[in-house]
Amino acid sequence: AQSVTQPDIHITVSEGASLELRCNYSYGATPYLFWYVQSPGQGLQLLLKYFSGDTLVQGIKGFEAEFKRSQSSFNLRKPSVHWSDAAEYFCAVGAPDKLIFGTGTRLQVFP
Amino acid sequence: NAGVTQTPKFRVLKTGQSMTLLCAQDMNHEYMYWYRQDPGMGLRLIHYSVGEGTTAKGEVPDGYNVSRLKKQNFLLGLESAAPSQTSVYFCASSYDSRYNEQFFGPGTRLTVL
Repeated sequence: AQSVTQPDIHITVSEGASLELRCNYSYGATPYLFWYVQSPGQGLQLLLKYFSGDTLVQGIKGFEAEFKRSQSSFNLRKPSVHWSDAAEYFCAVGAPDKLIFGTGTRLQVFP
Repeated sequence: NAGVTQTPKFRVLKTGQSMTLLCAQDMNHEYMYWYRQDPGMGLRLIHYSVGEGTTAKGEVPDGYNVSRLKKQNFLLGLESAAPSQTSVYFCASSYDSRYNEQFFGPGTRLTVL
């Protein structure tokens, strides 16, 4: 069955620290993978996407993600977190006619 | 270019009342989606449409109906609202289904008392 797992419900980091949010997927074919961010009270905004090619993809706001087929993972990273990065982050895999979302990771940033 | 818009932004209903949520997109997208978001559950697909005049059931369709009479609009209806339908509802659209990069609206917060 197609699914996306985000093992961390809540992560807290200090401003300026590095960040890695985990995402594992289960999908039979070549996956199309996405990371979205949702600020409080807002809709979802696309951070980055992987369709094919280079397994390290760059996104907006200084985020990057690495696709690892052997580990079925698509982890999101940022070298130095800013207070404005506090939000909820969703990983998703593209399936026929739809996206399958993980349950999200809430990021809290301390000054 | 407004992207995806949703009307209304907030609504409070009493149990048994009906209402319609409107989603509009100006990107000429074929595909449109309705999700609900509940704490700890992520986004769950209610219904979707692969083109004008078509609709299909998603993961949690019970208690909802949809219509896509015009390409740019996707309506979500609640015929008899229940407290379990208290949620935040998001509409999204995408150009195609292969890559399925979806663009989201700002959401509608619905409370059913």
